[in-house]
Amino acid sequence: NAGVMQNPRHLVRRRGQEARLRCSPMKGHSHVYWYRQLPEEGLKFMVYLQKENIIDESGMPKERFSAEFPKEGPSILRIQQVVRGDSAAYFCASSPPGTIPEAFFGQGTRLTVV
Amino acid sequence: AQSVTQLDSQVPVFEEAPVELRCNYSSSVSVYLFWYVQYPNQGLQLLLKYLSGSTLVESINGFEAEFNKSQTSFHLRKPSVHISDTAEYFCAVTLNTGFQKLVFGTGTRLLVSP
Repeated sequence: NAGVMQNPRHLVRRRGQEARLRCSPMKGHSHVYWYRQLPEEGLKFMVYLQKENIIDESGMPKERFSAEFPKEGPSILRIQQVVRGDSAAYFCASSPPGTIPEAFFGQGTRLTVV
Repeated sequence: AQSVTQLDSQVPVFEEAPVELRCNYSSSVSVYLFWYVQYPNQGLQLLLKYLSGSTLVESINGFEAEFNKSQTSFHLRKPSVHISDTAEYFCAVTLNTGFQKLVFGTGTRLLVSP
């Protein structure tokens, strides 16, 4: 059973470009979470999705950021018109349906904006 | 809202010495508690968790943590550390009404020297 897969592992974008980060949850997991880790900081929750639904986006910046988890395919975190402050590690986690209290993390995508 | 405080940003220790990484949380409702470990350029791995029952929980690699409700703490301990334990350790909480987003502390970097 493969773990949570994120790609790309490293992404370099120029200011103003778009960044698309992908996350394939573990098999059987229908819940996906995105977190952002800024340098020397802990992880901050961004968004919680279930298939085709956004459950909680209280941690998402109001502009330029969006997330989706379609019926088929990976979850996508999209950042439009990136700025230097978007440089961070973005982690995806998944958990199974129900109330099993555990999340499994991917290895992250390290976004660098130049 | 929940919050997690890890007062020690860095803990240096010699190999085979004991170590304690401190974690305090704040919440008006009951929570689940977790410790995650992050090795350089890797994702987070679950080390151990407290859901209910015995307040002392153990991991397979010798770490243990004790839930103390009166002190709202969940400190992580190991009686004898190895060089390979060098990593970043994150304490996290989530509501116990159903797994949703994790709230993380800022992390403690454990540095084990020979």
